[in-house]
Amino acid sequence: GAGVSQTPSNKVTEKGKYVELRCDPISGHTALYWYRQSLGQGPEFLIYFQGTGAADDSGLPNDRFFAVRPEGSVSTLKIQRTERGDSAVYLCASSLTGNTEAFFGQGTRLTVV
Amino acid sequence: DQQVKQNSPSLSVQEGRISILNCDYTNSMFDYFLWYKKYPAEGPTFLISISSIKDKNEDGRFTVFLNKSAKHLSLHIVPSQPGDSAVYFCAASDTGANSKLTFGKGITLSVRP
Repeated sequence: GAGVSQTPSNKVTEKGKYVELRCDPISGHTALYWYRQSLGQGPEFLIYFQGTGAADDSGLPNDRFFAVRPEGSVSTLKIQRTERGDSAVYLCASSLTGNTEAFFGQGTRLTVV
Repeated sequence: DQQVKQNSPSLSVQEGRISILNCDYTNSMFDYFLWYKKYPAEGPTFLISISSIKDKNEDGRFTVFLNKSAKHLSLHIVPSQPGDSAVYFCAASDTGANSKLTFGKGITLSVRP
């Protein structure tokens, strides 16, 4: 597709479980970002990739959160030992470089019960 | 501690009139500002941006004004149309680029026919 694609669109998991959220960026975009949006809040920065490497991971809340982008394209956000407070919409965005407009996907709504 | 503040949660205007959406920031290192528009169940869509070296940027019906001394920016939409009804997020970056954005909580704009 032409836009940023995120799968799944919805994910319900039990507290303590492990989840993976996938992001397919726009083809050719070198920069990829993960944000988290909690209810009533704006998106909150988590991590920024330039190519395969994490250029800035200062937004990851704790060591239960980890993200990879092994081939510089698809990225996976991994959350271990999920907690109810992790429930949010996880947004992925990509841009041609780090200095150009970022295009967002529709997000994955994660619910931890 | 909110570094980007959108203090009005909602705004309702009549079709054809001007919509003015306000945003304040506290971090004097921010040098690039953006507005995003979001419809339900979709990701945010880039609308317009402004660099700190400018005080105004215009794109069709959308104009963003920046007052650096007051740490304030505003988005003007004129004339407003029913299709403009959405949540609008103000965002800022301190790297002169899109790499890591700090978002406000958003404002819900309703344009009445």
